[in-house]
Amino acid sequence: QVQLVESGGGVVQPGRSLRLSCEASGFTFRSYGMHWVRQAPGKGLEWVAVISYDGNNKYYADSVKGRFTVSRDNSKNTLYLQMSSLRAEDTAVYYCAKGGHSSTWLMDSWGQGTLVTVSS
Amino acid sequence: DIQMTQSPSTLSASVGDRVTITCRASQSISTWLAWFQQKPGKAPNLLISQASNLQSGVPSRFSGSASGTEFTLTISGLQPDDFATYYCQQYSLYPFTFGPGTKIDIK
Repeated sequence: QVQLVESGGGVVQPGRSLRLSCEASGFTFRSYGMHWVRQAPGKGLEWVAVISYDGNNKYYADSVKGRFTVSRDNSKNTLYLQMSSLRAEDTAVYYCAKGGHSSTWLMDSWGQGTLVTVSS
Repeated sequence: DIQMTQSPSTLSASVGDRVTITCRASQSISTWLAWFQQKPGKAPNLLISQASNLQSGVPSRFSGSASGTEFTLTISGLQPDDFATYYCQQYSLYPFTFGPGTKIDIK
């Protein structure tokens, strides 16, 4: 079965950087697009970024464009989110999600999330 | 960006009730609409894709429909496990926007 395990969250000061990882198993990772979605405490879901199966296409939410970079290492079955110039409003649980079979844009399986807190 | 709205924001219901949540898109998204269930402290779980395709393992009491830019999620016979927050999400165009959520709580 699909398993997605995020890691790398923690407390970070405003303006600093952090890298999240998402280790995938139970499916052919290199064949699927992957997403990052976040959820601020007590708030709704916000899509952050998507990367194609081969890493050649990446799209970002305006709120993170130019500060966050999504990447993947298909040899390690791992998805990454490099976050820089972090702001208080980036505080959230960050989920990775697997793209669908018929549509990369569909998020059909999710990890348990990792909490990022941006605070001085 | 495509805006997604949901109504109601909160719904009080009893076990056995039939409940309906409505989601509207600000422009045409065809049927590229998903429904997710989320319980406190847990990740969202995909219930329905392409407006009406029930995911494997999801109980048949859940159903989805579409009419233009209006989409509905219906739960026929609410069960104790169904008290949760439900989100719609369009995946027609990026950015892939979510509705604000509908929380179903116990009446």
